Amino acid sequence: GAGVSQSPSNKVTEKGKDVELRCDPISGHTALYWYRQSLGQGLEFLIYFQGNSAPDKSGLPSDRFSAERTGGSVSTLTIQRTQQEDSAVYLCASSLTGKGEKLFFGSGTQLSVL
Amino acid sequence: GENVEQHPSTLSVQEGDSAVIKCTYSDSASNYFPWYKQELGKRPQLIIDIRSNVGEKKDQRIAVTLNKTAKHFSLHITETQPEDSAVYFCCYSSASKIIFGSGTRLSIRP
Repeated sequence: GAGVSQSPSNKVTEKGKDVELRCDPISGHTALYWYRQSLGQGLEFLIYFQGNSAPDKSGLPSDRFSAERTGGSVSTLTIQRTQQEDSAVYLCASSLTGKGEKLFFGSGTQLSVL
Repeated sequence: GENVEQHPSTLSVQEGDSAVIKCTYSDSASNYFPWYKQELGKRPQLIIDIRSNVGEKKDQRIAVTLNKTAKHFSLHITETQPEDSAVYFCCYSSASKIIFGSGTRLSIRP
């Protein structure tokens, strides 16, 4: 596609429910990143996928968070048993090789946990 | 551990003056240092980057400097304009992932 696509753009859920956030990177980009941005804050690294290598999950805040990337393309970030502190914008980015180059960001998913 | 400290958190300058944002990182293996600009309600966009084999890079009104020995790098914006108002993030690469600083909110006073 023309850019990184994320869906949904907005998600409102109740505390305790599970949510799935989707990221469709730029075609041909082998590296994919998930970040979380709380209101007025910086970007918190969550997870990084590079080709067929094992993902770097060092930024996931708890075992309620998981992500997968199928076929080296689309990625899904899953948050189980959502809590109010999970409310944030979840940003996905991709880059061509993941070796020190420009990140292309999606427009993000605004998650609100009530 | 992986950490990058960014200062100041907020910065207000008169239009036409210069703005400087400074960052310090911890991972001595880092070799790539990008800067991202995020306008209100928009996604971050790369504005300039520098690699560890150079000490300075300039692109029109924006320049970055890198001191690998001290683990410091800085962003300099000259002749600031209203459209420079945004949040700026310094970043560095750590084991290929990109770590972001906490951001500097830059405001340009008319």
